[in-house]
Amino acid sequence: EDQVTQSPEALRLQEGESSSLNCSYTVSGLRGLFWYRQDPGKGPEFLFTLYSAGEEKEKERLKATLTKKESFLHITAPKPEDSATYLCAVRLSGTYKYIFGTGTRLKVLA
Amino acid sequence: GAVVSQHPSWVICKSGTSVKIECRSLDFQATTMFWYRQFPKQSLMLMATSNEGSKATYEQGVEKDKFLINHASLTLSTLTVTSAHPEDSSFYICSVSQESTYEQYFGPGTRLTVT
Repeated sequence: EDQVTQSPEALRLQEGESSSLNCSYTVSGLRGLFWYRQDPGKGPEFLFTLYSAGEEKEKERLKATLTKKESFLHITAPKPEDSATYLCAVRLSGTYKYIFGTGTRLKVLA
Repeated sequence: GAVVSQHPSWVICKSGTSVKIECRSLDFQATTMFWYRQFPKQSLMLMATSNEGSKATYEQGVEKDKFLINHASLTLSTLTVTSAHPEDSSFYICSVSQESTYEQYFGPGTRLTVT
């Protein structure tokens, strides 16, 4: 069964305290892995796309990496405005379907 | 990325009535749109894939007669919740995907409350 799991479920960091979020996946075929940020009461905001193992993408304080089984979202020196829920999703090969993980709720304290 | 709007942003309706939610792709012709629902502190659950000019493909467990989807043009898809009940109260989000990159862009969501 195709599955996407994120950990931890929730994370509290002090401002400036770097950390990583994990997204592990078991799918029959991967077309792409995507990271999103979601603020309360809003739709997800696109962050990154990763297509193959070894690929990395960076944007400001965020860096996403991909292996054959998992992806990491590294947050360097986070700020309170980075507080949000971070979602990962996979697009299955041969379909239009996306499967989302349960998300990691990040809280960055000033 | 694509810009997606939804209308209304929130709606309250009485049990037994129907409510329509619009999803518009403002700068991108979307042959495929997606409808998700999200319960508090939970992730997105795909309800259906909406294809322009053809019938929507519903996920297992989603009642197609209750959640009517119409994708009449490359920029507009609608979701109609028929005979709404309190358990249909949720956050409904649409998205479009760019098939060249498989990237998905979301609307701001619609909060539905059924009383």
